[in-house]
Amino acid sequence: DGGITQSPKYLFRKEGQNVTLSCEQNLNHDAMYWYRQDPGQGLRLIYYSQIVNDFQKGDIAEGYSVSREKKESFPLTVTSAQKNPTAFYLCASSIERTFYGYTFGSGTRLTVV
Amino acid sequence: RKEVEQDPGPFNVPEGATVAFNCTYSNSASQSFFWYRQDCRKEPKLLMSVYSSGNEDGRFTAQLNRASQYISLLIRDSKLSDSATYLCVVSLNNNDMRFGAGTRLTVKP
Repeated sequence: DGGITQSPKYLFRKEGQNVTLSCEQNLNHDAMYWYRQDPGQGLRLIYYSQIVNDFQKGDIAEGYSVSREKKESFPLTVTSAQKNPTAFYLCASSIERTFYGYTFGSGTRLTVV
Repeated sequence: RKEVEQDPGPFNVPEGATVAFNCTYSNSASQSFFWYRQDCRKEPKLLMSVYSSGNEDGRFTAQLNRASQYISLLIRDSKLSDSATYLCVVSLNNNDMRFGAGTRLTVKP
């Protein structure tokens, strides 16, 4: 079955530590996205990528980094510069230049300990 | 003003009831509109796109009013399984989707 796989499901980070969240899709989608969801707020865009080896900052990119070396993969690194990283992180993908909406992965819940 | 605003609820309704949610958006250039459903601690899933002429999918009806910049979702004959948070999503283009914070619905026996 085609879909998006995020791992791990739960992640605990110590202060000052970098962590990387994985996102893999086998939908052959061109575009991939990372969102952050906090309680009572809408999803906010962190980064997106329309093609391999290219990505753009979203509304809240500070403290995060990404790479897009393969079409299928779009990992997100939460760096120590991100002061409030505890949140639910969602990866999504879509066919470029269509308005059919996004397909989401099941998310990673990151907690700072 | 938020780009996409929704009443957070919660809406508590009995089984079989009809319930309606509204959502307003601020950018008149928005081109695409969606309703997503999100269960507790799960990812959002596309419920339906919203077209200018309005569209229906079984018990769900979505409407768009561009002049007043709002979209609506009507759920008829509510089921227990409809309990979820409903996210309004508005898009300028495929890389600029704006999500509302969601409206929480609880359907009770």
